[in-house]
Amino acid sequence: QVHLVESRGGLVKPGGSLRVSCAASGFDFTDYYMSWIRQAPGKGLEWLSDISSTSSHTKYAESVKGRFTISRDNAKDYLYLEMNSLRAEDTAVYYCVRQHRVTGGGLLFDYWGQGTLVTVSA
Amino acid sequence: DIQMTQSPSSVSASVGDRVTITCRASQSITTYLNWYQQKPGRAPKLLIYDASSLQSGVPLRFSGSGSGTDFTLTISNLQPEDFATYYCQQSYIPLWTFGQGTKVEIK
Repeated sequence: QVHLVESRGGLVKPGGSLRVSCAASGFDFTDYYMSWIRQAPGKGLEWLSDISSTSSHTKYAESVKGRFTISRDNAKDYLYLEMNSLRAEDTAVYYCVRQHRVTGGGLLFDYWGQGTLVTVSA
Repeated sequence: DIQMTQSPSSVSASVGDRVTITCRASQSITTYLNWYQQKPGRAPKLLIYDASSLQSGVPLRFSGSGSGTDFTLTISNLQPEDFATYYCQQSYIPLWTFGQGTKVEIK
């Protein structure tokens, strides 16, 4: 059974930093791309970043490029998101998400963690 | 980036109704379109992928259609557990983008 469990988020001051992690289990972590997706309070879903199975490729949304860094540890089955220069508008629930590429089809987000709330406020 | 626009933003419906939600892409995405359901306080759940393929375990009252730029999610015989917010998402070109969501409310 696939489980994705994010670490506890927290309250961070503007300009501060935070790293959130995600423990994966129930599947072969090394076979999958992984993503981070966030949701600001009362708002929709925003894809932030993804990383290939071997960490050789990463992508970022413009809103976080240069401030956030995605990484993974395949030996430990962990996904990370390092967030720097945090702003009030980064306040959101952050989801760790497994990506799956359908054979002959598109990409989908098939398993999601429960999410962790990051609040950026003075 | 490809922009995804859903309509309506919200819809009021009764148990047993048929509900249709539309999603329009700013350019053709062929059939690389997914639908998710999200209930309050919960993570989203994949319902439909590649425009019309039902994810395993999802009830048959959910169906998807469309190609190019225009897509539809239909819920037939709406059930109490279907009251939620629904999002479309394109997987044609990175960066992956979502629609703004459609809330299905109880009439």
